[in-house]
Amino acid sequence: EVQLVQSGAEVKKPGESLKISCKGSGYSFTNYWIGWVRQMPGTGLEWMGIIYPGDSNTRYSPSFQGQVTISVDKSISTAYLQWSSLKASDTAMYYCARHIYSYFGYGMDVWGQGTTVTVSS
Amino acid sequence: SYELTQPPSVSVSPGQTARITCSGDALPKKYAYWYQQKSGQAPVLVIHEDNKRPSGIPERFSGSSSGTMATLTISGAQVEDEADYYCSSTDSSGNPGVFGGGTKLTVL
Repeated sequence: EVQLVQSGAEVKKPGESLKISCKGSGYSFTNYWIGWVRQMPGTGLEWMGIIYPGDSNTRYSPSFQGQVTISVDKSISTAYLQWSSLKASDTAMYYCARHIYSYFGYGMDVWGQGTTVTVSS
Repeated sequence: SYELTQPPSVSVSPGQTARITCSGDALPKKYAYWYQQKSGQAPVLVIHEDNKRPSGIPERFSGSSSGTMATLTISGAQVEDEADYYCSSTDSSGNPGVFGGGTKLTVL
């Protein structure tokens, strides 16, 4: 069974750093793009960026470029989303999602269960 | 930046057909994907590549695309289909990860 399992909920203070994870199993991890999607409370889905574990090629949404870092450790089939200095506005649910790609574009076929990040003083 | 437009809400009675639309200028050349998100749960893919249904998704879910509009159709909607539905696609330059604003489907 193809699965993405994310790390647990986090409660942090503004200015702190954070790295959350997403472990893939049941498929060839290095052969699929994997990315992150933000959902702020009561709002819709926002695509943040993706990474290709095979060569660590990374693409970011302009809205998130420079605000977060996406990385991967292919030896343990795990992708990461990292902040160096959290803000209260980073409070949200974060989902990882496996991406499928063809000439006609990208979609997301498998999703993690989500990681809640709460940033509050 | 590229946008996909969905109606905020759709409401049907059980057994009726629900249609949710997604419009975007690049849809004639790019696939649409559809996701169902029930309250408090992660999104689930229900339609990929305009009209393909993943295994495990009920046959009442179907997708189509014509011109700049993609449509998710739920034939004989059930109460358990109540959820938020999102479309996603890729812009004409190949940049991934564009979501529509989501449509809240009410079945009652």
